[in-house]
Amino acid sequence: EAQVTQNPRYLITVTGKKLTVTCSQNMNHEYMSWYRQDPGLGLRQIYYSMNVEVTDKGDVPEGYKVSRKEKRNFPLILESPSPNQTSLYFCASSLKPRTGGYEQYFGPGTRLTVT
Amino acid sequence: GENVEQHPSTLSVQEGDSAVIKCTYSDSASNYFPWYKQELGKRPQLIIDIRSNVGEKKDQRIAVTLNKTAKHFSLHITETQPEDSAVYFCAARSPGTASKLTFGTGTRLQVTL
Repeated sequence: EAQVTQNPRYLITVTGKKLTVTCSQNMNHEYMSWYRQDPGLGLRQIYYSMNVEVTDKGDVPEGYKVSRKEKRNFPLILESPSPNQTSLYFCASSLKPRTGGYEQYFGPGTRLTVT
Repeated sequence: GENVEQHPSTLSVQEGDSAVIKCTYSDSASNYFPWYKQELGKRPQLIIDIRSNVGEKKDQRIAVTLNKTAKHFSLHITETQPEDSAVYFCAARSPGTASKLTFGTGTRLQVTL
């Protein structure tokens, strides 16, 4: 089954404790993105990746890191989480636009609480 | 960068009525405009999209219209049903920005019996 998976789905942590949220897709998509969803703010892009070893900042990259060492995986790293990073996080993937791959496929989401 | 505004933030309609959600965008070069539906506790899923070379697209009870001159696009849902209740997001893609979609802030649609 074609899908985007994320782990963990729920996470409660404390300020300053490094964490990683994993994302994996099995559709051979080139593009992958991370979004955070907050009430009244919609979905805001954190980072995106156009291919292996190619990443760039989105609209709200502060406090986050990413890596793309393999095509299927795109982990989100919070080196020193703070309470303002409490949010619902979505990973998404798509094909390259020039091959018609505009649709973004979202993972199930990770609800993160930082106390 | 691109900026997308979405209205209304909440919308309540009676079952069988039509619902319209409107979005405006700032970058006249944007060329792709999807609409996503997010049910409670679920992930966003694409329901319809339109590209800048088309003015209208329909898929059963759902339609999207695009006015490039006004930089405005809308989602129309006819004969609404309770299962249409969800949060709807519009988005726009600027060319040359790789996989970057800029989303609106969402509209919570409630279809009442």
